[in-house]
Amino acid sequence: AQSVTQPDIHITVSEGASLELRCNYSYGATPYLFWYVQSPGQGLQLLLKYFSGDTLVQGIKGFEAEFKRSQSSFNLRKPSVHWSDAAEYFCAGQGGSQGNLIFGKGTKLSVKP
Amino acid sequence: GAGVSQSPRYKVAKRGQDVALRCDPISGHVSLFWYQQALGQGPEFLTYFQNEAQLDKSGLPSDRFFAERPEGSVSTLKIQRTQQEDSAVYLCASSLGQGQETQYFGPGTRLLVL
Repeated sequence: AQSVTQPDIHITVSEGASLELRCNYSYGATPYLFWYVQSPGQGLQLLLKYFSGDTLVQGIKGFEAEFKRSQSSFNLRKPSVHWSDAAEYFCAGQGGSQGNLIFGKGTKLSVKP
Repeated sequence: GAGVSQSPRYKVAKRGQDVALRCDPISGHVSLFWYQQALGQGPEFLTYFQNEAQLDKSGLPSDRFFAERPEGSVSTLKIQRTQQEDSAVYLCASSLGQGQETQYFGPGTRLLVL
């Protein structure tokens, strides 16, 4: 069965430190991959997406993600975290003809001053 | 233009009551999806429309859940005889075409069943 796994439920980093959020996928073929961010009481905002081509993709707010086929991973990174980055982050995969997303359970990011 | 909008933003229902949740997708978007997000979980797929056709309803948890998009734009998710386990955030998303495309999400409707 298709699945997306985010192994870390909660991560705390200090403001200004680097960040990496992990995401692994299990699909028959390489899916399209997305990272979304959700602030409390808000909907999902798209950070970045990978369809094909360059395996390092740049997104909004200084985020980037690297697709690694050999590891079935699509980890999200940011070199220097800001307090406003505190939120919940969801990785999602999209495969098949109709395109419904399969989400991981999310990683909650807390930022220490 | 405007993004995806949903109404109401919050709904409190007594157990057994019927509710209707509305989604206004981005104008011109062909595909519309409904997802359910339980507390502390990622969103889970409920149903998919391509224009007015409901092509997949495999994620609807029971026959108490019903969705429609009669004119291929606005969609309504209806839950009959609500139960406490229906309490969740219901997210609507739309995409321009069909298949593997970027989905844009609305703010969601938070449903609390007492």
